[in-house]
Order: sequence, then structure tokens, then C-alpha cells
Amino acid sequence: AQSVAQPEDQVNVAEGNPLTVKCTYSVSGNPYLFWYVQYPNRGLQFLLKYITGDNLVKGSYGFEAEFNKSQTSFHLKKPSALVSDSALYFCAVRDMDTGRRALTFGSGTRLQVQP
Amino acid sequence: GAGVSQSPSNKVTEKGKDVELRCDPISGHTALYWYRQSLGQGLEFLIYFQGNSAPDKSGLPSDRFSAERTGGSVSTLTIQRTQQEDSAVYLCASSSGTDYGQFFGPGTRLTVL
Repeated sequence: AQSVAQPEDQVNVAEGNPLTVKCTYSVSGNPYLFWYVQYPNRGLQFLLKYITGDNLVKGSYGFEAEFNKSQTSFHLKKPSALVSDSALYFCAVRDMDTGRRALTFGSGTRLQVQP
Repeated sequence: GAGVSQSPSNKVTEKGKDVELRCDPISGHTALYWYRQSLGQGLEFLIYFQGNSAPDKSGLPSDRFSAERTGGSVSTLTIQRTQQEDSAVYLCASSSGTDYGQFFGPGTRLTVL
């Protein structure tokens, strides 16, 4: 079985400061990892993905994430937060060694960026 | 269209009624997924279609839930004899055979009174 943990329900950060949203995962095989963002009353928007290759993945809106296999983590980061980054962030995983293509999502982390 | 579309955007129904939710995937995407997002919860996988293969129904919570995909494009999620616990946002996503990312529609907010 595959699972995702987002240990923080909410992250608060001041505008201009770096932000980190944590994610750890569990799969039996090798992972495909994703981050999505959800703005109020909107669907999920794809931010970035890790399939293979470089452990540091760059995505939309200046976000990046680092895949750490030994720690089974895929934390989302941004060097300088914007108020407009305030939203709900979901980490998701798919086991690349199974035929199942559905994603397993974490429970989400609400990011609040204060001006 | 440019993205995944879903209709209706909002649906209010009475307990015991049947509802149908529609999803139009991105043109050319062979895979289509349905997820459910309950209040304060993460996303729960419901069902997945890939081309002409048999769908993966492993996430459907009960036999009141069913889905079909006609012509490899539009999909309809049907919930029979709705219950209050069915109230949620139902999200549809699609992906191509070569792109591992799933692109989501805006969702249908279902409220069962």
C-alpha cells in the first residue's frame, strides 16, 4: 500500500521569507511524487513532479522540491514567499512499480503568508 | 477545450435521489480519474479509466457509486440513493499516456440534504 503524510495542517510564514511544506511518503516500489496547489473554490493545479533524475525539481511559480530517498521525503520549498502563495498544498505519490496509476494524496497543508 | 471541465459546478439534492456528475477531459488524454474531496479531508481516489482497458474501480466506496466513460472521452459519475455522507467535492482529472501529471477540473460540489 502507498501513503503520504503531511505532518503540518498549517504553515505560517512572513512574506519574503523562505517556506517549506513537508511531505513524507511510503511505497513498496519506486515513487512518482507530485505537488498540487488548491486556491479557494478552485480545482487542483499541478506544481511539479519527480519521476527520475535530479533530486531537486523545479516547478511553477518559483516552487521547488527535493526528493530524498533515504528519508522518503519530498518537501516543497520556495526561497521567498508571496502573499499570493497562500493556499492549500497537497503532496501525492504513485508507485511506479505497480500498474496502479491513481495518486494517493496527503491530507493537505494550508500555507498562510502574512504581509 | 484547454482544460478539464466538469458540470454542474454545484449540485444540491435530497437524500435518496440519484445524481449524475459529468467530466470532459482534455482532448487526447487517454486516462481519466475521479476523486472525492470531503470537507477537511484530502483527496480520495474513486475510479480510473485508461483507454479501452477495464476501469480500476478499487476506490468506489459502495455499490451506489458507478461511472462510465463513453467513446474514450466524456465520463459520468453516478451516485444512486444519495446519502448525506456523499456530500463532497468530486474532482475529475485526466492525463496523457506519456505525461505522468494529472490535470484536474474545477470539481462539482455535491450537497445532500
